[in-house]
Amino acid sequence: ETGVTQSPTHLIKTRGQQVTLRCSSQSGHNTVSWYQQALGQGPQFIFQYYREEENGRGNFPPRFSGLQFPNYSSELNVNALELDDSALYLCASSLAGRGRTDTQYFGPGTRLTVL
Amino acid sequence: AQRVTQPEKLLSVFKGAPVELKCNYSYSGSPELFWYVQYSRQRLQLLLRHISRESIKGFTADLNKGETSFHLKKPFAQEEDSAMYYCALKGGNTPLVFGKGTRLSVIA
Repeated sequence: ETGVTQSPTHLIKTRGQQVTLRCSSQSGHNTVSWYQQALGQGPQFIFQYYREEENGRGNFPPRFSGLQFPNYSSELNVNALELDDSALYLCASSLAGRGRTDTQYFGPGTRLTVL
Repeated sequence: AQRVTQPEKLLSVFKGAPVELKCNYSYSGSPELFWYVQYSRQRLQLLLRHISRESIKGFTADLNKGETSFHLKKPFAQEEDSAMYYCALKGGNTPLVFGKGTRLSVIA
């Protein structure tokens, strides 16, 4: 069984740039959630994808967007980067669906620094 | 609105002493409560969830709806318990909401 993987591990960008973060789900999982974890804070929900469709979104602006692919891997895209976007971005996969709760398995995260 | 409060940023205890990590929540319905843990250089992982009513690594947590709390307890702390602990809540179709976390330091 392969765990959740994320790439890259670290990334440095400048304000105004765009970034794409990638996540491979744990084998057999069909749901991916993305979280932003700022320094000293708990993870904050960005959005979730279930079977390639967005299935819930947190309080993040539209410049945060995502995709889920047929193999259930996922991307998080952030446009027009701001300094406050500097954070650890976590991906979590689960075998769940609409309205269901199942254990989420987290990846190691991508550390994004915006200068 | 859902909210999870962990009042302590840091909790230091001696090895063998009892541990209680506090978690209070705000939610109008019947929530699902979880404790997640992150050991040094490891990823965030589920420790326990209230619906399982089980003890994991000696830790237990009881949901107290009257006090809206879900405190994490262990009678005798071990050095390997040192980690970052996050309380999280899920209500209905809403996503997981995490607290800010408590760093537990067990002193030998």
